[in-house]
Amino acid sequence: QSVLTQPPSASGTPGQRVTISCSGSSSNIGSNYVYWYQQLPGTAPKLLIHRNNQRPSGVPDRFSGSKSGTSASLAISGLRSEDEADYYCAAWDDSLSGPKFGGGTKLTVL
Amino acid sequence: QLQESGPGLVKPSQTLSLTCTVSGGSISNGGYYWSWIRQRPGKGLEWIGHIYYSGNTFHNPSLKSRISISVDTSKNQFSLQLSSVTAADTAVYYCAGYTVTDNWFDPWGQGTLVTVSS
Repeated sequence: QSVLTQPPSASGTPGQRVTISCSGSSSNIGSNYVYWYQQLPGTAPKLLIHRNNQRPSGVPDRFSGSKSGTSASLAISGLRSEDEADYYCAAWDDSLSGPKFGGGTKLTVL
Repeated sequence: QLQESGPGLVKPSQTLSLTCTVSGGSISNGGYYWSWIRQRPGKGLEWIGHIYYSGNTFHNPSLKSRISISVDTSKNQFSLQLSSVTAADTAVYYCAGYTVTDNWFDPWGQGTLVTVSS
């Protein structure tokens, strides 16, 4: 069972804004940065957001991240069909002494 | 770039062995912990462990007793051995670089499916 809790699924129509939540604890999100990864079908995950809300070069500004206390969120605005993927949050976990992933959220673009 | 290699089929109770070859840079540049991550069918990502070029290793406690991670700087490779495997170890195994300063996983290998079955 993942220490970081995400909803298993989310959906939206093209152009909409969707958010994906990630709930953790004081030993992970509460005291460390949050990262988000996008996994397109059949491919390896790709870094989408780092240090809570920073986008690597090449990631559209439609993607944004936020963190508050022991929770974090990924927001995708102007939803596109190519955004259909699995999204994972991650954070260093002090109890694990290693990085921890959320269970993943499957985003469907209707 | 990272590329995993190893058997795609392992028998129960045997040892799973995978190697990751790093190209386009030196494994000894000190900027990464070289990591193994797995994804069981239909499931999320699980960090297995990682190794620094110096040989320091860090393991997921849930797997620690069965894991061995090693590095061969002369070949620019690092390896994973997972002992006493069961069907529950069937997964896509990824190697990845975990940046020392920024704590993210990038780059990733393409992943390799390992099936545990007799």
